[in-house]
Amino acid sequence: QVRLQESGPGLVKPSQTLSLTCSVSGGSIDSRAYYWTWIRQHAGKGLEWLGYIYKSGTTYYNPSLESRITISIDKSANHFSLTLTSMTGADTAVYFCARGVGACSSSNCGGSWFDSWGQGTQVIVSS
Amino acid sequence: DIQMTQSPSSLSASLGDRVTFSCQASQDISNYLNWYQHKPGEAPKLLIYDASQLETGVPSRFSGSGSGTIFTLTISSLQPEDIATYYCQHYLDLPLTFGGGTKVDI
Repeated sequence: QVRLQESGPGLVKPSQTLSLTCSVSGGSIDSRAYYWTWIRQHAGKGLEWLGYIYKSGTTYYNPSLESRITISIDKSANHFSLTLTSMTGADTAVYFCARGVGACSSSNCGGSWFDSWGQGTQVIVSS
Repeated sequence: DIQMTQSPSSLSASLGDRVTFSCQASQDISNYLNWYQHKPGEAPKLLIYDASQLETGVPSRFSGSGSGTIFTLTISSLQPEDIATYYCQHYLDLPLTFGGGTKVDI
């Protein structure tokens, strides 16, 4: 059974860059049609999809973050990463990594539902 | 972006109750709708995909229905371990979006 685990700093200063890593165990990040995903949750709010990456390296980002976000994949280390620049208090949230199952709708082919998640890591933006 | 609206935002029920809550999409999303259960401090869990398909290992007391813009998640007999927040999510197109959640307690 695949397991995902987020790691990274819990505290980031305003204007700095956040870097998080999601380590995948129990399965290869290079296998099958999965989309390796980052999702966050602001305190007391719903979930926000940030973006995902396919094993080929193709990325898809939420337009609300597109100028600040980068998702990368390291197949040799079996992990993928999130970089978010110019952090502000609005980026304070719990960040989850997840595995998106590849499927197609009538409009799009990509990660469709998320069948495995990490437990999440709290990131606070504060000076 | 497609807006997903869940109702109610919270509900209180008794053990053994049949519980139903809703998710409404701002446009027709066919059956491209998923449901998750989230308990504090834990990883969210996929319950239902494609509006009505039960994820492997999920108890059969959970069921999903609907298509187009209105969807429901039903718990046929509420159990103590079902206390959680439930989220819907569409995948018609990007960006993927989630509803605000329905918190279920006893």
